[in-house]
Amino acid sequence: QVQLVESGGGVVQSGRSLRLSCAASGFTFGTYGMHWVRQAPGKGLEWVAVIWYDGNKNHYADSVKGRFIISRDNSKNTLYLQMNSLRSEDTGVYYCATTDGAPTFGTSRRGGSDYWGQGTLVTVSS
Amino acid sequence: SYVLTQPPSVSVPPRETARITCGGNNIGSKSVHWYQQKPGQAPVLVVYDDSDRPSGIPERFSASNSGNTAILTISRVEAGDEADYYCQVWDGDSDHYVFGTGTKVTVL
Repeated sequence: QVQLVESGGGVVQSGRSLRLSCAASGFTFGTYGMHWVRQAPGKGLEWVAVIWYDGNKNHYADSVKGRFIISRDNSKNTLYLQMNSLRSEDTGVYYCATTDGAPTFGTSRRGGSDYWGQGTLVTVSS
Repeated sequence: SYVLTQPPSVSVPPRETARITCGGNNIGSKSVHWYQQKPGQAPVLVVYDDSDRPSGIPERFSASNSGNTAILTISRVEAGDEADYYCQVWDGDSDHYVFGTGTKVTVL
């Protein structure tokens, strides 16, 4: 069955860095676009970044652009999020998720994220 | 940036119909996806591409999209449908994915 398992979360001081990982299994990881989505405590979902299936294209939310880097290693079936210059407002649960549509190879769908990880909590302390 | 507006809450008696709106400028020209999220859990996709259901999602969940409003309809609401619901689109003008503000559905 499909599994997405995030790791790397924790408590970090403001201004420091953290790298999240998302280990994928049970599907052909290298053909799927992937998202990072976060959720601050008690708040709604916020899209963070997307990467195309081959890693050659990505986009970022304005709130993280220039500070976060999304990447993937298809040989290891793993997605990453390098988070630099962390701020208190980056605190929340970070989810990785597949995405259909343009970032995914050979699909007729226009979007939607069928598979999500359980999330990893990032707490940025000041 | 593109904004999707949802009502904060919707309350509905069991076995009745819940309708959750998602408003956005000319949203009918975009593909809308809907997610259900229960407390402490990851979101679950309930509708993609405006009106298609993933396998395993009951037919009670349906959706439409036209003009400036997309609507998720939950028919014959059950206690297990209590959750937060989010709409989502891809905004090609900004190359951003956007989530709606979220709607809490309460079964009375």
